[in-house]
Amino acid sequence: TQLLEQSPQFLSIQEGENLTVYCNSSSVFSSLQWYRQEPGEGPVLLVTVVTGGEVKKLKRLTFQFGDARKDSSLHITAAQPGDTGLYLCAGARGSGTYKYIFGTGTRLKVLA
Amino acid sequence: DTGVSQNPRHKITKRGQNVTFRCDPISEHNRLYWYRQTLGQGPEFLTYFQNEAQLEKSRLLSDRFSAERPKGSFSTLEIQRTEQGDSAMYLCASSPNRGFSYGYTFGSGTRLTVV
Repeated sequence: TQLLEQSPQFLSIQEGENLTVYCNSSSVFSSLQWYRQEPGEGPVLLVTVVTGGEVKKLKRLTFQFGDARKDSSLHITAAQPGDTGLYLCAGARGSGTYKYIFGTGTRLKVLA
Repeated sequence: DTGVSQNPRHKITKRGQNVTFRCDPISEHNRLYWYRQTLGQGPEFLTYFQNEAQLEKSRLLSDRFSAERPKGSFSTLEIQRTEQGDSAMYLCASSPNRGFSYGYTFGSGTRLTVV
């Protein structure tokens, strides 16, 4: 059983469109991170959210942590081909752990 | 600092052979993690070190898998008697002992193919 479910699993959009990726769980997380991974490489950290309801922005990317700290979303405005990749959410359970459990991933392709 | 380094990048081995992968973390990071990733899936946690101590090991890790981190520096992951189901990308990550915000720094991984 996967603790973190991401949706959609695949997304193909045109350059300039907006999109939202969701990360859902029935478990509460002490912190949640988003990563982007390109083929043949390891994931690269985009953001960490810790507080329920927290919103963080990274240029055209907006991340939100759910009030109950069970879910998160990633919104991309005006997507560009350079945003193409596998987006992964990862959650840590418990205040004393630094072990992250990864979600199922959302594969995004932005067409020029 | 050159980041997290993993060697080899690719390994093809015959079923039943033993393989060993190496991970060199960022020098000031005292936490080191191993994950396994199959195509199209998110990474699955395998094991975790704080300095030289192995603090947690996933139930996914059978007795054929062993990891070490002597002296709290580099780490090795050995798979004995490889099986075709072991084919995957093996990722190593490290993190500092300074809280959640720093996240993991991943290496580029070792892709294992068992034929």
